[in-house]
Amino acid sequence: NAGVMQNPRHLVRRRGQEARLRCSPMKGHSHVYWYRQLPEEGLKFMVYLQKENIIDESGMPKERFSAEFPKEGPSILRIQQVVRGDSAAYFCASSPRGTTGNTIYFGEGSWLTVV
Amino acid sequence: DAKTTQPPSMDCAEGRAANLPCNHSTISGNEYVYWYRQIHSQGPQYIIHGLKNNETNEMASLIITEDRKSSTLILPHATLRDTAVYYCIVRGTDKLIFGTGTRLQVFP
Repeated sequence: NAGVMQNPRHLVRRRGQEARLRCSPMKGHSHVYWYRQLPEEGLKFMVYLQKENIIDESGMPKERFSAEFPKEGPSILRIQQVVRGDSAAYFCASSPRGTTGNTIYFGEGSWLTVV
Repeated sequence: DAKTTQPPSMDCAEGRAANLPCNHSTISGNEYVYWYRQIHSQGPQYIIHGLKNNETNEMASLIITEDRKSSTLILPHATLRDTAVYYCIVRGTDKLIFGTGTRLQVFP
């Protein structure tokens, strides 16, 4: 059973460009979470999605960031008009259901560098 | 979700048991205790979780006090590859909220 798959693993963008990060959850998992980790800082929750629904986006920056989890295909975290401060590791996680007793598994992350 | 308190860092000799404490005095009855670790530049790795009873798996044991106000993660035979930041998380909602964790250094 493959784990949570993220791609690209490393992405370099120039300031003002768009970054798209993809996440394929584990097989049978319909809940996806995105986290951001700035250099030398902790993991910060960004957004929690089910198929076709955003459940909790309390950690998402109000501008330039969006996330989706379509009925078919991977979840996408989109960052428009990137700035240097967006340089970070972005981790995706998945679980079979959103209840507190269900384990959440993380991917290996996507490293975004804005130059 | 209840707040957790962990020591910022700990050392452990290779081959010895590593006992990582966590205080969660405001935990509610339906909140689980989860442990994850993050090895440098990797994604967080699930270790173990529990509600009331002690739990054991192939990686570690989780000891939760009877009043549930604290817990201890035990790595029975620490290796150099166990060097990582360990996060104790009390989960009462859908998401996990990470604190600053304990940086465990295993030395030869």
